[in-house]
Amino acid sequence: EAQVTQNPRYLITVTGKKLTVTCSQNMNHEYMSWYRQDPGLGLRQIYYSMNVEVTDKGDVPEGYKVSRKEKRNFPLILESPSPNQTSLYFCASSFSPPGLRPKGEQFFGPGTRLTVL
Amino acid sequence: AQSVTQPDIHITVSEGASLELRCNYSYGATPYLFWYVQSPGQGLQLLLKYFSGDTLVQGIKGFEAEFKRSQSSFNLRKPSVHWSDAAEYFCAVGALNQGGKLIFGQGTELSVKP
Repeated sequence: EAQVTQNPRYLITVTGKKLTVTCSQNMNHEYMSWYRQDPGLGLRQIYYSMNVEVTDKGDVPEGYKVSRKEKRNFPLILESPSPNQTSLYFCASSFSPPGLRPKGEQFFGPGTRLTVL
Repeated sequence: AQSVTQPDIHITVSEGASLELRCNYSYGATPYLFWYVQSPGQGLQLLLKYFSGDTLVQGIKGFEAEFKRSQSSFNLRKPSVHWSDAAEYFCAVGALNQGGKLIFGQGTELSVKP
């Protein structure tokens, strides 16, 4: 089954404790992206990756890191989480950037709800 | 800069009634437009998309949307709402000059009354 998986689905942590949210897709997609969803703000892009070893900042990259060492995986790293990073996080993938070649559908993972105390 | 506005934060409709969710965008060129649905506890699912051509776009689950360039709008419609349509709906525009990312609206939460 074609899908984007994220782990963990729920996470409660404390300020400053490094964490990683994993994202994996099995569709051989080149483009992957991380979003955060906050009430009243919709989804905002954190980072994206055009392909292996190619990553770039989105709209709200502060406090986050990513890596793309393999095509299928795109982990999101919070080196020192803070309470303002409490949010719902989504990973997404597609063959190409959805705004450039929109015939490629962007698939979303189920989300990771993160609470930073 | 490109932006997307969904004026209605929350809408309640009765089951069987018609539905229209509003979406307005700000974009210099012909936009690529999308509607996504997010059911509780789920990720986002693509309902429909517009690139060019026919301005009335058909999607899944009986939804359709109409692109109106003169009004900078891409409103989502459904003639008869089902209880299972209760969800949050997001309109998005593809930002051609920003790496092709999607810019999302704030979302509209739909409740369906029996």
